[in-house]
Amino acid sequence: KNEVEQSPQNLTAQEGEFITINCSYSVGISALHWLQQHPGGGIVSLFMLSSGKKKHGRLIATINIQEKHSSLHITASHPRDSAVYICAVNGGGADGLTFGKGTHLIIQP
Amino acid sequence: DTAVSQTPKYLVTQMGNDKSIKCEQNLGHDTMYWYKQDSKKFLKIMFSYNNKELIINETVPNRFSPKSPDKAHLNLHINSLELGDSAVYFCASSLQWGNEKLFFGSGTQLSVL
Repeated sequence: KNEVEQSPQNLTAQEGEFITINCSYSVGISALHWLQQHPGGGIVSLFMLSSGKKKHGRLIATINIQEKHSSLHITASHPRDSAVYICAVNGGGADGLTFGKGTHLIIQP
Repeated sequence: DTAVSQTPKYLVTQMGNDKSIKCEQNLGHDTMYWYKQDSKKFLKIMFSYNNKELIINETVPNRFSPKSPDKAHLNLHINSLELGDSAVYFCASSLQWGNEKLFFGSGTQLSVL
């Protein structure tokens, strides 16, 4: 069974700062997802990646398959980025996604 | 139009009751899921349906039963509700089973008293 660890668990930063959230997993995967959950509760898929790097606006996700590690970066952070960011991995079998416990990010103005 | 819609948004009920949560997607996706999010915000897969066939069923009590009348709908029935069932339940869909982007419903907050 895959173990998914996220760090940090909580992060408070000032507006404009560069943010990095990390995700490590224990067993090889076929894909990794980054999800965003706003205080209102809705969950949005940000990225799904199996290699390399993806960018969408101010968000960048990278994955290193050999090191079993992924990072989510936010450039020029803004208070509206305040949310819980969740990493989830797909082992490729019938078990579906295994989730990390999430990183609670607060961006202060 | 909402891509994945689930109802109700809030559900408050007594222990022992039977309740259902409905989910519908208008994306033409083949696969639908039910996830449970506990009080610590930890998500866990409950069920997945691909073209109306159950693919996975994690260690979920058999009081929980998914029902899919067609591939656009995956409803969750819960019998004999217990206090520990209180959580937020999310429905989601993806184009196919496997490495596909997920689209989530807005969640149903279930409170069992």
